[in-house]
This record gives sequence, structure tokens and C-alpha cells, in this order.
Amino acid sequence: DAGVIQSPRHEVTEMGQEVTLRCKPISGHNSLFWYRQTMMRGLELLIYFNNNVPIDDSGMPEDRFSAKMPNASFSTLKIQPSEPRDSAVYFCASSLVQGRGEAFFGQGTRLTVV
Amino acid sequence: QKEVEQNSGPLSVPEGAIASLNCTYSDRVSQSFFWYRQYSGKSPELIMSIYSNGDKEDGRFTAQLNKASQYVSLLIRDSQPSDSATYLCAVKVGAAGNMLTFGGGTRLMVKP
Repeated sequence: DAGVIQSPRHEVTEMGQEVTLRCKPISGHNSLFWYRQTMMRGLELLIYFNNNVPIDDSGMPEDRFSAKMPNASFSTLKIQPSEPRDSAVYFCASSLVQGRGEAFFGQGTRLTVV
Repeated sequence: QKEVEQNSGPLSVPEGAIASLNCTYSDRVSQSFFWYRQYSGKSPELIMSIYSNGDKEDGRFTAQLNKASQYVSLLIRDSQPSDSATYLCAVKVGAAGNMLTFGGGTRLMVKP
């Protein structure tokens, strides 16, 4: 079975450019989470969706960040404009709303903003 | 106070020893607890889940939960160098919803 699929795996971009990260959750899962991981701050929840609806976006750092989930099998996280401090590994994870909380992570996207 | 706390380590143990990793949480209504293993440069991998007080064993891993004291631990028996990784404790916060809150992780080093 395919796990959570993220693309791209690595992204290097210049400051000010728009960056779009993509995620395909595990088939049948109806919760999707976007996390950011840095050495300084660890694993931070940015936003999560249940049944394609954003439930909690309090972790989104600022208006430069936006996330969408147009259907059950696809989500995007967009940063516009990007800044060097956005450099981090971004993980997508999915789970079942009606489950006990087990979440499964994608391979992550390593973003470097220069 | 952070919601989920772990000692950042590193915790160094010799090969074959028992590694003990601890985690405390602040939300008394939390009901689901998880341990993830993360190798350097990789994504977190779910290795254990526990939902009721007591011990849960899976191979060399044992998760322990004490809701009265609000702590959860992970024991790794017969530690191997391949167990060297960062171990993240995660808690499903609150009685409803399925959002997980993660601790900062404990780095484990198993020396041959």
C-alpha cells in the first residue's frame, strides 16, 4: 500500500519566490496534517484538515503561508513570498478522524530558501 | 509549560542494555499516546501506541502509561546500534479531535 506521498522531496528557491508543496494522503484517510520541523523548534503543527475542511490553522506562522485541500486525495501548502527563515523540513501526515489518533508521515520536503 | 515534554538527550547506552525514554504531558484528558522513531534525515515512523494504563509490549519495545502521574515511557530491551535515532512522544490532546502534539524528542545513541 502506498503511504503518504509528498512532492517535491527537495526544493531550493530564492527569497521572494512562491513555493508550493504537495501531499497525497493514504487512501481512505480523512485527516491531513502539515508539520514543519527545524532543529530549533522541533516538530510544529501548521494546519490540519478533517474531511477536507481546515480545522485548526493556528500554527500557520503568518499570512505568507496558505494551505488548501480541494479533495480527499490532495493538499497543498503554499508560501508566498518565501523567506530564508522558512527553510525547514515540511511533513505531511494523515490519519482517520474516527481513529485513535495514529498518524502516518510522508517522506517530507526539505525546503531551502536562499 | 510545554504540553508534551521529553529530555532532549542524548541518551547513551551500550549495546545490549535497556534504554528508557520518558515523556510527560499536561492535558489530563489525553487518551492516546504514541512513540515515533525518527532516523536522521528521515520522517517520523510510528512504532508504538498505548491507550490504557499499564504496559504494552511489542518485540523489544515496551510502552508504559501512567495517567495519574501523566507520564508515558518507552523501554527498548537489548538495544542495538540500529536503534540509534530520535524518539518522539506524541499525545492526542483532548477527548475529541485527532490532533497530535509532539514532544521535542530524545536522541538515543547505542554504542557497540
